[in-house]
Amino acid sequence: GIQVEQSPPDLILQEGANSTLRCNFSDSVNNLQWFHQNPWGQLINLFYIPSGTKQNGRLSATTVATERYSLLYISSSQTTDSGVYFCAVFAYYKLSFGAGTTVTVRA
Amino acid sequence: DAMVIQNPRYQVTQFGKPVTLSCSQTLNHNVMYWYQQKSSQAPKLLFHYYDKDFNNEADTPDNFQSRRPNTSFCFLDIRSPGLGDAAMYLCATRPDSSGTQYFGPGTRLTVL
Repeated sequence: GIQVEQSPPDLILQEGANSTLRCNFSDSVNNLQWFHQNPWGQLINLFYIPSGTKQNGRLSATTVATERYSLLYISSSQTTDSGVYFCAVFAYYKLSFGAGTTVTVRA
Repeated sequence: DAMVIQNPRYQVTQFGKPVTLSCSQTLNHNVMYWYQQKSSQAPKLLFHYYDKDFNNEADTPDNFQSRRPNTSFCFLDIRSPGLGDAAMYLCATRPDSSGTQYFGPGTRLTVL
């Protein structure tokens, strides 16, 4: 099956800092999604981004499908950004998830 | 505006006592998924429905069953829960073979 690797595994930020999360995948994919899992366990859609760049407020994402990676940018981080960020790629009828990046934003 | 709804949000059951988790959606999506997520792990796909067609993952235990009586509802039945089945269970939907996948808030299952 397709392999999805996320880095770094853990990230500690001071409030207001910027950061970049990376997702590498091993094969061609139909699409890619970024999720934020909040402390209550819900997976919140951040981006559906099979290719190109999208922005939503302080978050933006870029996927370079030909090079099999995606980046999630968090700018001016806030404590509410804390949680686990998952990258997931859709291939062969299902999403394959990376292991996640745990982000902790300190006030 | 809830799109994927899961009930209950928290479920406590006893070892070996059957339990049913429910999921409903207002999106009219063809595809529905059930995932199991244990602490500090990524969600793991158990099975999915493409319309009425049921698709089981190869490593999903027989203890887990599912029903989809109509487009809007899907159920996860755990016939004899063990302590190892304690987890968050996530339901998700997708319009078809492409498009954004949406997750419900999850049901956290505790097995005593």
